[in-house]
Amino acid sequence: AQSVSQHNHHVILSEAASLELGCNYSYGGTVNLFWYVQYPGQHLQLLLKYFSGDPLVKGIKGFEAEFIKSKFSFNLRKPSVQWSDTAEYFCAVNAGSSASKIIFGSGTRLSIRP
Amino acid sequence: GAGVSQSPSNKVTEKGKDVELRCDPISGHTALYWYRQSLGQGLEFLIYFQGNSAPDKSGLPSDRFSAERTGGSVSTLTIQRTQQEDSAVYLCASSSLVATQYFGPGTRLTVL
Repeated sequence: AQSVSQHNHHVILSEAASLELGCNYSYGGTVNLFWYVQYPGQHLQLLLKYFSGDPLVKGIKGFEAEFIKSKFSFNLRKPSVQWSDTAEYFCAVNAGSSASKIIFGSGTRLSIRP
Repeated sequence: GAGVSQSPSNKVTEKGKDVELRCDPISGHTALYWYRQSLGQGLEFLIYFQGNSAPDKSGLPSDRFSAERTGGSVSTLTIQRTQQEDSAVYLCASSSLVATQYFGPGTRLTVL
């Protein structure tokens, strides 16, 4: 069965610091990969997704993620964080078919010190 | 409507009572998901409906949990004989075949 691991439960950074949040999945076949964000008091919303093609994916608000198939990873990055990036970030995967369920990781809470 | 809606937004119930949570997906979306979000636990997959296919119920934690999707649109998640550990935010999401999910605001369930 597919699963998603986010090893960082809570990350605290200062503004302008660089960010990398880890995401590893377990599934041997083709996958679709997602990062979602939940700002305080708001709905979950999509940051970026990977279906195929260039493994470096650009998302909204300056976020990007790199799919490394050999490492089963899809880490989220941002070169310079802002206070407004304070949120919870979720990695998600589905097993390469639009007809299969999407499984989420446990989330990483990001706190940015102004 | 423009997005996924869920009702009620908050539900407080007594242990042992049954509850029904409703989700109205985005019109035309073939897939509908229910998740449970507990403090510090992330999103726990519960059930997934895709078109007319049999739902994937593999995430339902016990037989007290069930869900229906009528006419390929509205879905109801039912929890029978609620327990305190059922307290959580229940999230619904819908998507078209390209799989990007759109989430509703959730229903916060508190079991006393």
